Amino acid sequence: GAGVSQSPSNKVTEKGKDVELRCDPISGHTALYWYRQSLGQGLEFLIYFQGNSAPDKSGLPSDRFSAERTGGSVSTLTIQRTQQEDSAVYLCASSFGPPGGNTIYFGEGSWLTVV
Amino acid sequence: GQNIDQPTEMTATEGAIVQINCTYQTSGFNGLFWYQQHAGEAPTFLSYNVLDGLEEKGRFSSFLSRSKGYSYLLLKELQMKDSASYLCAVAPGNNRKLIWGLGTSLAVNP
Repeated sequence: GAGVSQSPSNKVTEKGKDVELRCDPISGHTALYWYRQSLGQGLEFLIYFQGNSAPDKSGLPSDRFSAERTGGSVSTLTIQRTQQEDSAVYLCASSFGPPGGNTIYFGEGSWLTVV
Repeated sequence: GQNIDQPTEMTATEGAIVQINCTYQTSGFNGLFWYQQHAGEAPTFLSYNVLDGLEEKGRFSSFLSRSKGYSYLLLKELQMKDSASYLCAVAPGNNRKLIWGLGTSLAVNP
C-alpha cells in the first residue's frame, strides 16, 4: 500500500483478554517500529525490527507484550491479559532502513481501550 | 544516558514567527528529525538535518548545530492549523532506534 496500514483502528477489550494489533509497513521498508502513546504524552518506544537482525525489544514494558514480524513485512503486536493501564494508541512506523537519513512514516494507530 | 529536551508548551499569535528549540545529548549522531502531530493523529515528517546549518522548506525552517547539540524549528506566518505538538528526534551513533523528545505543544491564537 501507499502508507503504513494498521488494524484494527479501534479496539475495546475486557480486562484480562488478549489482543493482537497488526501493522502492514510500506512496501520495501526494512525497518519497523512499534510505539505506544497515552493521551497527551510522548512516544514510548516498544520494539524495533531491522531487516534480518535480532529485534530490539528493550522497550516492551512487561512479558505480557510480544511482537513478531513475519517474512520481513507484516508485524503483529500481542498484548496478553490486558490491563487498564494498557489503554493507549499503538503506533506502527516504518522506514527504508536505519533511522540515519531515512524518514520514518507512521500509521494512523490502533486505539486500544481496556475496560 | 541519551536525552532530548524541548519546551513543553508554547503559545504564539496567528501571523507571527515562533522558534521551537531542541537540545540533545546522545552517543554519536546520525541526524535530527522534526515531526508534527495534531491531536488524535499520527506524527508526520517535517524536516531532517544531518549537517550544520539552516534548511528552509516553505514556512518551516530547521537549524542544526552539532557542536552545540542544538536544533530549532522555525515557523513563519503562523496559521491556526499550526496548532499541534512538535516532536524532535535524533538518530544516535549506533543508528538503531530514534531517541524522541516529549514534544512541544504549540497553541496558535487569533
